[in-house]
Amino acid sequence: DTGVSQNPRHKITKRGQNVTFRCDPISEHNRLYWYRQTLGQGPEFLTYFQNEAQLEKSRLLSDRFSAERPKGSFSTLEIQRTEQGDSAMYLCASSSTGGWYQETQYFGPGTRLLVL
Amino acid sequence: AQSVTQLDSQVPVFEEAPVELRCNYSSSVSVYLFWYVQYPNQGLQLLLKYLSGSTLVKGINGFEAEFNKSQTSFHLRKPSVHISDTAEYFCAVRAKLIFGTGTRLQVFP
Repeated sequence: DTGVSQNPRHKITKRGQNVTFRCDPISEHNRLYWYRQTLGQGPEFLTYFQNEAQLEKSRLLSDRFSAERPKGSFSTLEIQRTEQGDSAMYLCASSSTGGWYQETQYFGPGTRLLVL
Repeated sequence: AQSVTQLDSQVPVFEEAPVELRCNYSSSVSVYLFWYVQYPNQGLQLLLKYLSGSTLVKGINGFEAEFNKSQTSFHLRKPSVHISDTAEYFCAVRAKLIFGTGTRLQVFP
């Protein structure tokens, strides 16, 4: 088990461009989460999947953001028409189903996005 | 609604000294609490968690935390810190993980 991986680790883009990030969870984990972390703040929940179903989305997830997990394994997070305010670290985490409140989330290293 | 407050944004401490990082929470339902550590340029790593049972929870790297329902607190402690403990520490509540703003622990030699 290699843990949660995220690609790319860093992304620099110009305002208005689209970007896509990938997260590969721990293989036996059926839950996958996306968080966003800005400088000096704690991570903020964006959305989560159980298998391929997207079960919850935060109000932080504007219409420009879309996340998918088509086969219940890896997930992608796309940001369309990026804005400078999108600059942040995007974190992915995964967990297994062991009672909703008993899971432990394992985090990936994150993708740091800089929008110029 | 749930929320987490970390009262100290930075805690400077000398090596081998004890440390306490404070966390207070609010929740209208049963509480499940977590402490995560984030080393520079790395992802979040679970230190410890409280789900039920004993209110004193022991985690990795010599850290422990005590759940205090009456004071709605879940403070993190270590009796003797090392330079390698320098990192950002986050308190979080519930499975969706609502995080506090973090406390930067700086350990000086």
